[in-house]
Amino acid sequence: NAGVTQTPKFRVLKTGQSMTLLCAQDMNHEYMYWYRQDPGMGLRLIHYSVGEGTTAKGEVPDGYNVSRLNKREFSLRLESAAPSQTSVYFCASSYRDDTGELFFGEGSRLTVL
Amino acid sequence: GQNIDQPTEMTATEGAIVQINCTYQTSGFNGLFWYQQHAGEAPTFLSYNVLDGLEEKGRFSSFLSRSKGYSYLLLKELQMKDSASYLCAVRDSNYQLIWGAGTKLIIKP
Repeated sequence: NAGVTQTPKFRVLKTGQSMTLLCAQDMNHEYMYWYRQDPGMGLRLIHYSVGEGTTAKGEVPDGYNVSRLNKREFSLRLESAAPSQTSVYFCASSYRDDTGELFFGEGSRLTVL
Repeated sequence: GQNIDQPTEMTATEGAIVQINCTYQTSGFNGLFWYQQHAGEAPTFLSYNVLDGLEEKGRFSSFLSRSKGYSYLLLKELQMKDSASYLCAVRDSNYQLIWGAGTKLIIKP
């Protein structure tokens, strides 16, 4: 069981370039999330999806777009990268239940120069 | 605003017991979570509390007092592999998770 898989693991971009982070889960989870993690701060929710074909904004959505491609896959796109988007990005998924335990991918370290 | 407070860093000795505190102020409450995150890795789930009291799971226990907006994670018989960051998160009235910045736990031999 692979769990939650993210690609790429590392990427360096120049300001203004675009890129897409891909996330796939094989646990049949309804909910999927994109977070960013910065030093000294808690995880911050960028966008999330509660099911195929649905997306919603989180705490810090500006500069990011997402697509729930199907039940398994959830992508995060930076259309015009900025240095402020330098961060570690985590994809996560969960069942739709009371405990709401999140299963995280290994993270994608993005540097924008 | 919503806020989760936990100590930035703690140090403990192998074999000892350590308590990591978390206080929160959120718009509503629908559960509190503790996650463990080793350096350079993904967070992994440790515990979930929604009612007051202590939940025990092996060497780890988590306590919740909703009236005080307070939780702690208790780690017993510390091992070197317990060196990690411990993240406290509260689910608010909108079922959104609010995360603390994490407590880095350093274990010394």
